[in-house]
Amino acid sequence: GAGVSQSPRYKVAKRGQDVALRCDPISGHVSLFWYQQALGQGPEFLTYFQNEAQLDKSGLPSDRFFAERPEGSVSTLKIQRTQQEDSAVYLCASGTENTGELFFGEGSRLTVL
Amino acid sequence: AQSVSQHNHHVILSEAASLELGCNYSYGGTVNLFWYVQYPGQHLQLLLKYFSGDPLVKGIKGFEAEFIKSKFSFNLRKPSVQWSDTAEYFCAVNRYSSASKIIFGSGTRLSIRP
Repeated sequence: GAGVSQSPRYKVAKRGQDVALRCDPISGHVSLFWYQQALGQGPEFLTYFQNEAQLDKSGLPSDRFFAERPEGSVSTLKIQRTQQEDSAVYLCASGTENTGELFFGEGSRLTVL
Repeated sequence: AQSVSQHNHHVILSEAASLELGCNYSYGGTVNLFWYVQYPGQHLQLLLKYFSGDPLVKGIKGFEAEFIKSKFSFNLRKPSVQWSDTAEYFCAVNRYSSASKIIFGSGTRLSIRP
């Protein structure tokens, strides 16, 4: 497609449930980033892939968060045993290797009850 | 660690007023700098970027930003704002490397009175 696609756009989970958020980057983009954006805040870095390699996962808030990009294209962010503090918009962005410019998706809004 | 500070959380201006949004970063090495904008109901998109060369960079919709290395600043400016500039503006930085995370500031909400 023409842009970064994320699904689902909205997800409501009960506390303790596992969720999986999907990101389809722009075709050919090497870099893929996941960010968490709380209401009224800027995007907080979670993790970064270059092709299938996860180069930086320093932003993942706990071991309940896991991301993968097994074939260097689609990526999934998984959150296990969700907590209320996980409620946020999860943004995916992709980019070419050298420009540093990111193209963002619309985000997946997670609400944990 | 890298960080980005945007001290103005909410700015309210009238149409045709001049705009300057502050951005300071903390990182001692060479950096790439960005301003992203998020219009209401839309996704984040790049407004302008600085990698090297002329420290005054021009972006879309009449925006410009000036990189002042000695002040670790990259302020965003526009001489005359329009109602359609109402949006959230985010400054961002990464290390001058192809494999480096991009860190965002907390954002400045700009409201333009028609």
